Amino acid sequence: AQSVAQPEDQVNVAEGNPLTVKCTYSVSGNPYLFWYVQYPNRGLQFLLKYITGDNLVKGSYGFEAEFNKSQTSFHLKKPSALVSDSALYFCAVRDPATNAGKSTFGDGTTLTVKP
Amino acid sequence: NAGVTQTPKFRILKIGQSMTLQCTQDMNHNYMYWYRQDPGMGLKLIYYSVGAGITDKGEVPNGYNVSRSTTEDFPLRLELAAPSQTSVYFCASSARDRGNTEAFFGQGTRLTVV
Repeated sequence: AQSVAQPEDQVNVAEGNPLTVKCTYSVSGNPYLFWYVQYPNRGLQFLLKYITGDNLVKGSYGFEAEFNKSQTSFHLKKPSALVSDSALYFCAVRDPATNAGKSTFGDGTTLTVKP
Repeated sequence: NAGVTQTPKFRILKIGQSMTLQCTQDMNHNYMYWYRQDPGMGLKLIYYSVGAGITDKGEVPNGYNVSRSTTEDFPLRLELAAPSQTSVYFCASSARDRGNTEAFFGQGTRLTVV
């Protein structure tokens, strides 16, 4: 079975500081990993994904994430946070060997960036 | 390009009533999904479809039904609404692949059952 954990319900950072939103996963094979962002009263929007290749992937709005197979992690990062980055962030995992097309989502992390 | 469109955006139902949440996408995606999102929780998969005429249960299918008669449409039916079905419902779609493409989400339907 596939699963994903976001260990922090809330992350608070000051504008201009680096941010990290954590995600760990469990799958039986090689994972496909995704980050989505949700703004209030909106649907989820895709940020970035890891499928294969370079462990550091870059996505929308200056976000990036690092795939670490040994630690089974896929943390979301940004070098300099903006107040407009404040939102709910979801990590998702998909095991292509057994669940093609079906993702499992974490419970979400609320990011608050203070001016 | 409209993407994934859900209607209605808001609805209040009385216990025992039924309703259909509509979802349509214009990206010619084969995969479509229905999720529910409860406060402080992630998304739970209700039903999904890998193509027209094919549907399957997700994690939390009880109390819901779906159909997929066309590639574009994937309606979700609640037959006997219960307070436990108060939630925000999201429809999503993704391209036919080996699972490596991202999902596109609608803006959600906020349902309250009283």
